[in-house]
Amino acid sequence: SQTIHQWPATLVQPVGSPLSLECTVEGTSNPNLYWYRQAAGRGLQLLFYSVGIGQISSEVPQNLSASRPQDRQFILSSKKLLLSDSGFYLCAFTSGSLLDTQYFGPGTRLTVL
Amino acid sequence: GNSVTQMEGPVTLSEEAFLTINCTYTATGYPSLFWYVQYPGEGLQLLLKATKADDKGSNKGFEATYRKETTSFHLEKGSVQVSDSAVYFCALSDRGQGAQKLVFGQGTRLTINP
Repeated sequence: SQTIHQWPATLVQPVGSPLSLECTVEGTSNPNLYWYRQAAGRGLQLLFYSVGIGQISSEVPQNLSASRPQDRQFILSSKKLLLSDSGFYLCAFTSGSLLDTQYFGPGTRLTVL
Repeated sequence: GNSVTQMEGPVTLSEEAFLTINCTYTATGYPSLFWYVQYPGEGLQLLLKATKADDKGSNKGFEATYRKETTSFHLEKGSVQVSDSAVYFCALSDRGQGAQKLVFGQGTRLTINP
């Protein structure tokens, strides 16, 4: 079966520090991968998506970047965190015959102090 | 551009009450429509979906019908339980080039009291 993992689950970082969040998918190949951010009490904002290794599309210009070094691995990074980067980060994927349906990981809660 | 508007919350009901959460959308073409649910501290889970007009999605007692004439996809449940307390998101698929993207509503927080 297909599963999606994210880590860490929770992270507290000081302003100006770097960030690396990881997402991996199992049980499928060549998935489309997505990073979302959910700010407190708000909806979901699509940050990046990827249709293949090394292929990244950015939806919103900001302090973050994404990379896809392997087929089923998606990384969200920042060189210097801002207070406004705090939020709940969700990774999602689509694959196979269900390309119109996204499946989400458990999320990473990031607090920037 | 495509957009989704959800009924503002929070919504508080008693157990066994009837639930409706309104969702309307604006889109070019014929998107698929989705309801996702988010329990406290967790990621989003797909609750149900519909891919074309007049389709009815259903799961766990929840239902929603794709109404093209009113551009709506309202979520309903006949008798809610305390365990249904969560945030509910309506979304549509944006079938552009490359990856499918989802456009989400703001979410509606539902609390069910025993």
